[in-house]
Amino acid sequence: KAGVTQTPRYLIKTRGQQVTLSCSPISGHRSVSWYQQTPGQGLQFLFEYFSETQRNKGNFPGRFSGRQFSNSRSEMNVSTLELGDSALYLCASSPGGRGAYGYTFGSGTRLTVV
Amino acid sequence: TQLLEQSPQFLSIQEGENLTVYCNSSSVFSSLQWYRQEPGEGPVLLVTVVTGGEVKKLKRLTFQFGDARKDSSLHITAAQTGDTGLYLCAGARTGNQFYFGTGTSLTVIP
Repeated sequence: KAGVTQTPRYLIKTRGQQVTLSCSPISGHRSVSWYQQTPGQGLQFLFEYFSETQRNKGNFPGRFSGRQFSNSRSEMNVSTLELGDSALYLCASSPGGRGAYGYTFGSGTRLTVV
Repeated sequence: TQLLEQSPQFLSIQEGENLTVYCNSSSVFSSLQWYRQEPGEGPVLLVTVVTGGEVKKLKRLTFQFGDARKDSSLHITAAQTGDTGLYLCAGARTGNQFYFGTGTSLTVIP
């Protein structure tokens, strides 16, 4: 079956702009989580959506937001981009709660803010 | 301070050598997972351990969950260049909390 698909793979944006990233989970998986990965901080949890509802949220500013659609596809948005937002953004799907059953990750979106 | 600390942070070894990566915490986890991530890709789940003292083997990789369910180790026998990557442990706690470790970057030199 198809894996987790993230688009786009690479993105270059200017400070102050906004960006929307997309994630299509594995068919049948209702939980989608987003992580930010940087060399210095490792994997940092952004938020988790389950059946279109945000179930958990990490310690990120309100500039980071997300949503999930009825087909479980998810988007995350970052407004007013800062240089420090440059990172690999990973989407992960799982059948149930927040990775307890094991995550399947997408290949990520590499965001560079200049 | 991260809830799950991995050691070593970096490891460079010759092909054929053995190695062990550690994942430690002062907290108890209901389950613990290990992932491997290659450059430019997302992490891939290797194994999940759920019982204290549990040992699982995946070919040349041996995973152990500590008796108290606070720590875990990954042992690789006769490392190969294909084992190169970032190894991440991750733990689930009650209340739907899930944490990733700090990561161990492994390089196997041919």
